[in-house]
Amino acid sequence: QSVLTQPPSVSAAPGQKVTISCSGSSSNIGRNYVSWYQQLPGTAPKLLIYENDKRPSGIPDRFSGSKSDTSATLGITGLQTGDEADYYCETWDSSLSAYVFGTGTKVTVL
Amino acid sequence: QVQLVESGGGVVQPGRSLRLSCAASGFIFSNYVMHWVRLAPDKGLEWVALLSKDGSEKYFVDSVKGRFTISRDNSKNTLYLQMSSLRAEDTAVYYCARDFGSHGALDIWGQGTMVTVSS
Repeated sequence: QSVLTQPPSVSAAPGQKVTISCSGSSSNIGRNYVSWYQQLPGTAPKLLIYENDKRPSGIPDRFSGSKSDTSATLGITGLQTGDEADYYCETWDSSLSAYVFGTGTKVTVL
Repeated sequence: QVQLVESGGGVVQPGRSLRLSCAASGFIFSNYVMHWVRLAPDKGLEWVALLSKDGSEKYFVDSVKGRFTISRDNSKNTLYLQMSSLRAEDTAVYYCARDFGSHGALDIWGQGTMVTVSS
């Protein structure tokens, strides 16, 4: 079981907004950068957010990231059917001396 | 173009060994920390290991410590994962990934290679 907890699933209608939480602790999110990934079925993960709130080039501003204390949040606005995927947070855990991924969240567009 | 291509996966019996390779192209391989990440069937992503740019620093997830080793040949632009004493729970798609900022921001991923541990 991961040290980073995410809701198993979130859903919303097209055009709406969803947020995905990632809850950790002082040894991981509380002191290290958080990244977020999207994984479409059968494909490799794709980096959406790095260093808590930065977007790589080519990632639309519909995707946003934030961090507060020991939690991080990914927001997706203007939800599209192509956003249906699994989403993961990730960070370094200073106590484990290892990177950790969150438990993953499946986004469904209703 | 910037690319990572994994190879070496397959079906292996429990207790045996396997070596995965990850060939990099389109960027200066020696400038980047590299990672292995896996996705087991019906499970979430699991970080496996990382290797520093010059190969001097290595970190592993607890479940593979003492069984897996990670190495690189910067002259061949290739990352390796040597897996031994394989277990059924190591069955997964294994991805290599580039860390573009050395803070766990994995921006380039390979297509993955499947490892199945079964008798």
